[in-house]
Amino acid sequence: AQSVTQPDIHITVSEGASLELRCNYSYGATPYLFWYVQSPGQGLQLLLKYFSGDTLVQGIKGFEAEFKRSQSSFNLRKPSVHWSDAAEYFCAVGGDYKLSFGAGTTVTVRA
Amino acid sequence: KAGVTQTPRYLIKTRGQQVTLSCSPISGHRSVSWYQQTPGQGLQFLFEYFSETQRNKGNFPGRFSGRQFSNSRSEMNVSTLELGDSALYLCASSVSVNEKLFFGSGTQLSVL
Repeated sequence: AQSVTQPDIHITVSEGASLELRCNYSYGATPYLFWYVQSPGQGLQLLLKYFSGDTLVQGIKGFEAEFKRSQSSFNLRKPSVHWSDAAEYFCAVGGDYKLSFGAGTTVTVRA
Repeated sequence: KAGVTQTPRYLIKTRGQQVTLSCSPISGHRSVSWYQQTPGQGLQFLFEYFSETQRNKGNFPGRFSGRQFSNSRSEMNVSTLELGDSALYLCASSVSVNEKLFFGSGTQLSVL
């Protein structure tokens, strides 16, 4: 069975500071891994995806994620947060014709 | 290119009624999947269709069903509605299931 754990329910970060969101997955085979963002009043948007190759993946809006097989992790990072990054972030693992999402991490950005 | 279109946007029903939600995928996308989003449970997978075939189904009761038509449009049906069915129902389409999912804005269902 596939599953995703996002340990942090809510993170508050100052504008301009760095951000790291944690994600741990469980999947028997090589996983497809995704990060999606959901902004208030907007739909889910893909930030980045990993399946194979370079374990450091670059996404949109200045985000990147690193796949670490030994730790079953796929953490999302951004060096400098903007106020517009305030949103809910979901990590997901794909397989068996479905995505399994984590519970999400809400990011609040303070001025 | 038009995005994923879900109708209706909002729906209010009473317990015991049934409801049908519609999803039109992006042109050329043959995979359509459905998710239920609630504040307590997050995003839960309902089912996935590809070329009119259901390839996977989530852990939902039989009251939840779906189908896909030859033009890739999809519908999901919930019968005998319960209060706990109140949620945002999201449809997503993709070229194939492990490719990027494009999500619609969802149908917000309220069961009274």
